[in-house]
Amino acid sequence: EPEVTQTPSHQVTQMGQEVILRCVPISNHLYFYWYRQILGQKVEFLVSFYNNEISEKSEIFDDQFSVERPDGSNFTLKIRSTKLEDSAMYFCASSLGTEAFFGQGTRLTVV
Amino acid sequence: AQSVTQPDIHITVSEGASLELRCNYSYGATPYLFWYVQSPGQGLQLLLKYFSGDTLVQGIKGFEAEFKRSQSSFNLRKPSVHWSDAAEYFCAVGRDSGGGADGLTFGKGTHLIIQP
Repeated sequence: EPEVTQTPSHQVTQMGQEVILRCVPISNHLYFYWYRQILGQKVEFLVSFYNNEISEKSEIFDDQFSVERPDGSNFTLKIRSTKLEDSAMYFCASSLGTEAFFGQGTRLTVV
Repeated sequence: AQSVTQPDIHITVSEGASLELRCNYSYGATPYLFWYVQSPGQGLQLLLKYFSGDTLVQGIKGFEAEFKRSQSSFNLRKPSVHWSDAAEYFCAVGRDSGGGADGLTFGKGTHLIIQP
C-alpha cells in the first residue's frame, strides 16, 4: 500500500541553525501539506502546496518557513533559523483530492 | 473561522465495552469531517470521513461515526473496543476544496485508555 515517507524520523538541531525536513508523498498525489504537533498540543496546519506553489498557509508559517518540491518526488519544509519553540512533530501529508494521507512524522528537537 | 471541540481529554473504557467519542464543530458551510487515530510514536491514520450523503459512515477497525447537522456533531463510535484501540483520537474539519485537506482544523484529541 502506498504511503507517505518522512525522513529523518528524529532530528536534533541547535537554535539558529537551518533544518530541512524531507517527505516523499504518494506518487500520483497532487496536493501536499505540512502540519505540526507541539508536544501535548493539537495538530496544527502549516501550509498546503499545489501546482508548484503555496495554496494556503497559516499564521504559523512565517518568513522563517519555506516549502519546495525540488524534483517532482520530494516535498521539503525548510526552517531557516530554528527557535526553541519550533520543537515539535512535523507531519507531511498528500492528497489526490478527498482525503489526506499522513506520514509518520519527523520529531524536531531544537536545543 | 472553523473550529473543532473534543470535550473529553481522557476516556477510560473496559475492553469489550462500547465507545463513543464526542466531536462538535463550527463551520460556516458544508464541512468535510474526519476522524484520525494516532498510536504512540506513530503518525495519523484516517479512520473515516464524511463529505456528503449517508450521515452514518463506516470506517476501518470497526469504527463508525454519525454526522448530525442540527447538533454540529460528528461522534465516533465502536460497539466493542479492543486493547489495541488505546490511542489518541482526533476529529478534524476541512472545507470543500480541491485538495480535500486544505487547512484541516483538528480538535485537541481524546486519549482513549482501555482497561482489562
